[in-house]
Order: sequence, then structure tokens, then C-alpha cells
Amino acid sequence: DGGITQSPKYLFRKEGQNVTLSCEQNLNHDAMYWYRQDPGQGLRLIYYSQIVNDFQKGDIAEGYSVSREKKESFPLTVTSAQKNPTAFYLCASSISGHANQPQHFGDGTRLSIL
Amino acid sequence: RKEVEQDPGPFNVPEGATVAFNCTYSNSASQSFFWYRQDCRKEPKLLMSVYSSGNEDGRFTAQLNRASQYISLLIRDSKLSDSATYLCVVNGRGQNFVFGPGTRLSVLP
Repeated sequence: DGGITQSPKYLFRKEGQNVTLSCEQNLNHDAMYWYRQDPGQGLRLIYYSQIVNDFQKGDIAEGYSVSREKKESFPLTVTSAQKNPTAFYLCASSISGHANQPQHFGDGTRLSIL
Repeated sequence: RKEVEQDPGPFNVPEGATVAFNCTYSNSASQSFFWYRQDCRKEPKLLMSVYSSGNEDGRFTAQLNRASQYISLLIRDSKLSDSATYLCVVNGRGQNFVFGPGTRLSVLP
């Protein structure tokens, strides 16, 4: 089945630890995105990539890093510099980065601090 | 002013009711508009795109008013399964999507 796969579903981070969230898509989409969602709030864009080997900061990139070495993969690292990492993290992709293309989401990773 | 605003609700309606949500946006240059639904603790799922002339998909009707910078979603004959949070999405500056905070709908038996 075609889709977007995020793993793990739940992740716990210790103080001072970096953790990496996986996002893989087999839709052959060019563009991929990372968002975080806090309770009762809308999604906020962390990073996005419109093409392999290129990515751009979103609205809340501080404390996060990404890579886009392969078209199908866009992992997100939550670094120790992110002081409030507890949130629901959502990865999305779209056919292209053009604004008229809807985004499709993976089922998310819930990150909590131990 | 926030880029995209929605009435947070919750809207509690009986089965079979008609309910409408509004969403306002601040960027007059926005060109793409969508409604997503998000079930509790799940990912958002595309409900429908919103076209300039308005569009309908079964019980759902979306409309766009560019002059007043708002979009609307109308749900007719509400079902229990329509209970969810409805997210308004608009492309903002630089083509990125901006998500509204969502409007929560509870359809009651």
C-alpha cells in the first residue's frame, strides 16, 4: 500500500538526549514536511523539503534538524537544545511543493520527556 | 491577528442536524484552501479542497469568499461519525500551509 510511515509511534526522551523520528513515503512525492502539534493548537511547521538534498526552516526550526538524502526519507532529529519537545509530531508529503497540492500525513509520533 | 482563525467550538449538535463552520484568513494573496478533519489523537486527513466557485462532496459543501477572506464548511444530515476536529488550511506567505487551530464537532445521538 502507498503511504507515509512514521516511527516510532511513541518515543520517550531523557534530558540532554537527541532523538530521531523516522518518516518514509512510497508515494513518489517530491515535497515532505514536519509539523508539531501541541494540545488544543494548530499544526506548526518545523522544516520542509521540496527536493532531495535541500530543505528549509519553517516557523519553529530551533532545536530541530533534518536531512533529505533520499526522496522517500525525511528524518527529524529533536536535539537537546529543544527545551520543550513534548508534542505530537506529524510528517506530511505532497506531490510537489506547490501550494495547490494537498498534503497527506503519516500517523504521527508522540514524544514525551522522561 | 493570527493568519488563520477558527471558532474553537465545541459544536454539539444532534444527529441529522446541519452545521456550518467558518474560517477567516489574513493573507489576501492566499490561493489554496483546504478542509481537513482530525480525529482524537490521530493525524489530519484531507476532507476536501475549496474551489473559488464552491464545491460539494456528498453531505459536505465548501465555499470561499475572497472579498471577505473566509471559507466555510457546511455539513448536512450530521452523522455520529462526523464527530472530529475540522481544520481550515490556507497557503500563507511563501507558499507554506498555515493550519487553523480547528473547530471541534460532537454529533450527539
